[in-house]
Amino acid sequence: DAKTTQPPSMDCAEGRAANLPCNHSTISGNEYVYWYRQIHSQGPQYIIHGLKNNETNEMASLIITEDRKSSTLILPHATLRDTAVYYCIPQGPLAGNQFYFGTGTSLTVIP
Amino acid sequence: DTAVSQTPKYLVTQMGNDKSIKCEQNLGHDTMYWYKQDSKKFLKIMFSYNNKELIINETVPNRFSPKSPDKAHLNLHINSLELGDSAVYFCASSHPRDKETQYFGPGTRLLVL
Repeated sequence: DAKTTQPPSMDCAEGRAANLPCNHSTISGNEYVYWYRQIHSQGPQYIIHGLKNNETNEMASLIITEDRKSSTLILPHATLRDTAVYYCIPQGPLAGNQFYFGTGTSLTVIP
Repeated sequence: DTAVSQTPKYLVTQMGNDKSIKCEQNLGHDTMYWYKQDSKKFLKIMFSYNNKELIINETVPNRFSPKSPDKAHLNLHINSLELGDSAVYFCASSHPRDKETQYFGPGTRLLVL
């Protein structure tokens, strides 16, 4: 499994952009980068995923470096409801069902 | 319109008991999973299952067994509960062509006394 490194915690002011980094220097060529989040006392929630190109959806944007060794999840206008633990997960089609979450980044959005 | 539901939400029981946690998904997915989240919040996969294949995380004790009466349900049965089984258990499901985009249930909080 590719290893990831995420800061254990971050703060962000409400209304500002939250930029959550992830290092995945051992990612394989066919592995996507997935981001999930877990709001307190709830199940994990899918946010976004990408392979090489930057991606955007209604929840967030994903910026992947050219060498694919790191990525950044961007929440453009953080709200209090975005307070959660965010997980960066490299995962490829040949990994079977070994879909491991790490320790993630605990994001706190401050009013 | 709950996509993935679990019952019960809370379960408190004594050591040595046998218990089951139920999971149902109405997304039409073929693959379902069970995860365990311990007190340190680290989420680990326990099982993945579709109608053809059961994949077991080798670290899971054989006291844990998934049972699937049909494609929409994957229950988790636990025999001889131990204190260390206390955790939050999440069920999830995914489409067979997109296994990595998983939809999670709300979790079952198990406390073994």
